[in-house]
Amino acid sequence: KQEVTQIPAALSVPEGENLVLNCSFTDSAIYNLQWFRQDPGKGLTSLLLIQSSQREQTSGRLNASLDKSSGRSTLYIAASQPGDSATYLCAVRPGAQKLVFGQGTRLTINP
Amino acid sequence: DADVTQTPRNRITKTGKRIMLECSQTKGHDRMYWYRQDPGLGLRLIYYSFDVKDINKGEISDGYSVSRQAQAKFSLSLESAIPNQTALYFCATSGTSGDSYEQYFGPGTRLTVT
Repeated sequence: KQEVTQIPAALSVPEGENLVLNCSFTDSAIYNLQWFRQDPGKGLTSLLLIQSSQREQTSGRLNASLDKSSGRSTLYIAASQPGDSATYLCAVRPGAQKLVFGQGTRLTINP
Repeated sequence: DADVTQTPRNRITKTGKRIMLECSQTKGHDRMYWYRQDPGLGLRLIYYSFDVKDINKGEISDGYSVSRQAQAKFSLSLESAIPNQTALYFCATSGTSGDSYEQYFGPGTRLTVT
């Protein structure tokens, strides 16, 4: 059974810092991996999708990497801003169409 | 306008009542999903549908049913609501190949069963 873990559960950093969020999964047989952002009480916003054949994807200040063989992905956020404060969720698609989610990392950027 | 909409956004109901949550999408996707989110448990898949004639159970389908009325509409029903069904419910959609496998989520319905 695929399991997804995100560590740490919460992270607080000062504005302007570069930071890395981690995601690990137990089964390397995945079709893709998706990073989401969730604001309190709100829906999920897709940030980046990495196909299993890709090593990384970039969007603005965000860069996501994927190492399937080691079961790891990272989300790099450059020059963090208070508006980046949210919960970040990692999800893998092991097959069919379901996504398996991690518990998320709650990120706080302090002005 | 949002690509994936959910109604209602908030609902409080009593134990034993029947309730329906509705989802509509304008993305033209064939595939639709219902998830629930609980603190400490993350998001879990309830049901998913690959097209209007295809309905599949997810990992936590007991106590729920769904109806795919059209490509754009997918509803979730709780036939007899119970308090442990209190949660945040999300609808999502995706396409069928490559980058279109990316899932897009609605804003969620906060359901409270008293």
